[in-house]
Amino acid sequence: EDQVTQSPEALRLQEGESSSLNCSYTVSGLRGLFWYRQDPGKGPEFLFTLYSAGEEKEKERLKATLTKKESFLHITAPKPEDSATYLCAVSDTGNQFYFGTGTSLTVIP
Amino acid sequence: DVKVTQSSRYLVKRTGEKVFLECVQDMDHENMFWYRQDPGLGLRLIYFSYDVKMKEKGDIPEGYSVSREKKERFSLILESASTNQTSMYLCASSSRGYEQYFGPGTRLTVT
Repeated sequence: EDQVTQSPEALRLQEGESSSLNCSYTVSGLRGLFWYRQDPGKGPEFLFTLYSAGEEKEKERLKATLTKKESFLHITAPKPEDSATYLCAVSDTGNQFYFGTGTSLTVIP
Repeated sequence: DVKVTQSSRYLVKRTGEKVFLECVQDMDHENMFWYRQDPGLGLRLIYFSYDVKMKEKGDIPEGYSVSREKKERFSLILESASTNQTSMYLCASSSRGYEQYFGPGTRLTVT
């Protein structure tokens, strides 16, 4: 059973076209939900941690939100440099980590 | 800033060779992890360690071993490299249950 599911698998946006990426999870006892950005050929770069439903975090054009079942990564007025794969992960109270397979975002100038 | 470094960015080895990949973190994290990442398969956990000299198998430990003699250093060993171990290898570290910080990755090619 998948603990973390990300959708869509791939997303193409025009520059300036806002959208959202989804991460749904099924772990019991959520300790934290994490968002990462990964550029081709590089290691994932940590973006945000969310701990409880209703929490929000922002960084530049990115905003992450959390509910009891899912998280959204909202991208406002994206630029070509926002093109990357965005990974979601969760940890549970047993210190187990589960990663999604990512959303590949392409922003077209 | 957290820093996780890996010994090589690119590595080419021959089938049957013993391969060592080393990872060092500077944040005094208890937990360290080794993953491999392949197109369409995402991140797959090979081994992790909760403390010095402790190790736990992940999802795909076959063909690999690890060593953690010091808190800051976690090594991945391919006892006899095979072509199906060609992959991107990623090391990460974290405090217990919290966000993992990744190294830059090692692209290993086994010919």
